[in-house]
Amino acid sequence: QKEVEQDPGPLSVPEGAIVSLNCTYSNSAFQYFMWYRQYSRKGPELLMYTYSSGNKEDGRFTAQVDKSSKYISLFIRDSQPSDSATYLCAMALQGGSEKLVFGKGTKLTVNP
Amino acid sequence: GAGVSQSPRYKVAKRGQDVALRCDPISGHVSLFWYQQALGQGPEFLTYFQNEAQLDKSGLPSDRFFAERPEGSVSTLKIQRTQQEDSAVYLCASSLNTATGGYTFGSGTRLTVV
Repeated sequence: QKEVEQDPGPLSVPEGAIVSLNCTYSNSAFQYFMWYRQYSRKGPELLMYTYSSGNKEDGRFTAQVDKSSKYISLFIRDSQPSDSATYLCAMALQGGSEKLVFGKGTKLTVNP
Repeated sequence: GAGVSQSPRYKVAKRGQDVALRCDPISGHVSLFWYQQALGQGPEFLTYFQNEAQLDKSGLPSDRFFAERPEGSVSTLKIQRTQQEDSAVYLCASSLNTATGGYTFGSGTRLTVV
């Protein structure tokens, strides 16, 4: 079992839909949780960054962390065709190496 | 520069050839990271520098992989005697300090070993 599990999709939704993306993890020592967006042939771009549990909102994006269930989510409201990309969850330990452990990524297509 | 710059963008190497991949981080960024991303997978950590010190190289898959950052700025990832399983996108990222996860990634070098 990988440390971070993410359904690779693909996920296809109509424009305006609410999108829910999820990851589960096995290492309870993870404290930092991130979502990156990656367009084709580009590097990942940081979308949301959360420390420990709770919710964080930024515009149309909401990140949730449930450490008791070892489960994180990213919600996209009013999805747009420009949101079409691969979404990667990533996690890191506190006080250790700076390395991130990534999920496999979920490929999202928003159809106009 | 405005972002993390990687060169070359694409590299085709014959099996057994040595390659060198370059990363120019954002000016002033202390931390620099290398990741390997296979097709359809998430990035996997290779190594981490803080200034010129290589603090973690636990992700380097074999002794054919070597990274350096001699002056604490530009970094080079070298792969000796390339093999087909080395084919991947190699991503470099940098951050201003050690704030975990707040990286800026480059667009990567796509290495194809034939």
